[in-house]
Amino acid sequence: QKEVEQNSGPLSVPEGAIASLNCTYSDRVSQSFFWYRQYSGKSPELIMSIYSNGDKEDGRFTAQLNKASQYVSLLIRDSQPSDSATYLCAVTPWSGGYQKVTFGIGTKLQVIP
Amino acid sequence: NAGVTQTPKFQVLKTGQSMTLQCAQDMNHNSMYWYRQDPGMGLRLIYYSASEGTTDKGEVPNGYNVSRLNKREFSLRLESAAPSQTSVYFCASREDRDRDAFFGQGTRLTVV
Repeated sequence: QKEVEQNSGPLSVPEGAIASLNCTYSDRVSQSFFWYRQYSGKSPELIMSIYSNGDKEDGRFTAQLNKASQYVSLLIRDSQPSDSATYLCAVTPWSGGYQKVTFGIGTKLQVIP
Repeated sequence: NAGVTQTPKFQVLKTGQSMTLQCAQDMNHNSMYWYRQDPGMGLRLIYYSASEGTTDKGEVPNGYNVSRLNKREFSLRLESAAPSQTSVYFCASREDRDRDAFFGQGTRLTVV
């Protein structure tokens, strides 16, 4: 079982809609959770970090964490064509003493004008 | 403030050749990482260094060696390159285990 699972997509949403990206992880005691955005040919860049159960909002982005279900999600409101990118979920699992940062394969988001 | 700097940006190797990918960070971060990224495979951890003087294997360490030269620098060496090592390599660093990772611009390596 992979440590971090994501649907590779593509996920297509119309401009202005809400995009919902999901991620599950296998290590129940994972400590920190991150969402990165990666444009084609570029490096990943951090969008959101979340450490405790619940929601965390930053502008159009909301990260949601449910440790009991081992599930983390990212909502993008009012999606824009510039949001078209691959979104990578990352966790720090207990294995490795929380020093490793383990990534999912990423979900490709396409926002249709 | 350069952040995380990788050299070179592009490299073509012949099978069997060796090379070292260099990575340096100027953020005084404790931890450093090497990942490879292949289509459909996401970012896979090769090696990481939680602090100066320590290194640990990640998910795909075979065929690679690393050196944490000092707190700033973490190099990745391919002793005998193989076509399967054709990939984009990313170096990353982070301050401590509660913080996110910052990435370099990547090295696109082709082994022919």
